[in-house]
Amino acid sequence: SQQGEEDPQALSIQEGENATMNCSYKTSINNLQWYRQNSGRGLVHLILIRSNEREKHSGRLRVTLDTSKKSSSLLITASRAADTASYFCATDLANAGGTSYGKLTFGQGTILTVHP
Amino acid sequence: GAVVSQHPSWVICKSGTSVKIECRSLDFQATTMFWYRQFPKQSLMLMATSNEGSKATYEQGVEKDKFLINHASLTLSTLTVTSAHPEDSSFYICSARIAGRRYEQYFGPGTRLTVT
Repeated sequence: SQQGEEDPQALSIQEGENATMNCSYKTSINNLQWYRQNSGRGLVHLILIRSNEREKHSGRLRVTLDTSKKSSSLLITASRAADTASYFCATDLANAGGTSYGKLTFGQGTILTVHP
Repeated sequence: GAVVSQHPSWVICKSGTSVKIECRSLDFQATTMFWYRQFPKQSLMLMATSNEGSKATYEQGVEKDKFLINHASLTLSTLTVTSAHPEDSSFYICSARIAGRRYEQYFGPGTRLTVT
């Protein structure tokens, strides 16, 4: 079954507005990562949050992680037209000891469109 | 730093032929590389994990005799799609992990395969 489920599937906003994307997962994780993909291109790593962290910031990005609810959110503040892309969460699963398996399982992604 | 390239960026081939896709880490050594496929407007699905000098580990449902993976050096992994069929048409993306850094993956730009 799909480990990462994201919502919304698509999000359309105006430049300057904030964009929030959510990701839910089913099993224990070592860490959760967010990636961005421009149409037809490879993935760019945005941010990694470990299972013992609750919030992380990077520039205009803010990621939260709630392991009790098995969910994460990505907030992009003051969005720009250049932020238009697909955003994926990816979970790095943990074994019984909490150690990472070292491979990622991707969610379905959110297509973000920022209108100038 | 941490640049991953793929070659070719796109390829069209006829049914029944084989196609080789290269994944190179340009400025670092990658003990582990991953191969994903992505259908239009869908997420990335991990196909296999490739470790330098050993056999690849394939995910459930991926035919190892059809998708041959070779990781002959610390900077190169290849994926060969053998006896390609139209249903193999997809976007193939590789990623590489720097030796000693378990969590970070760096993605190539992808290869668009079209089988006619």
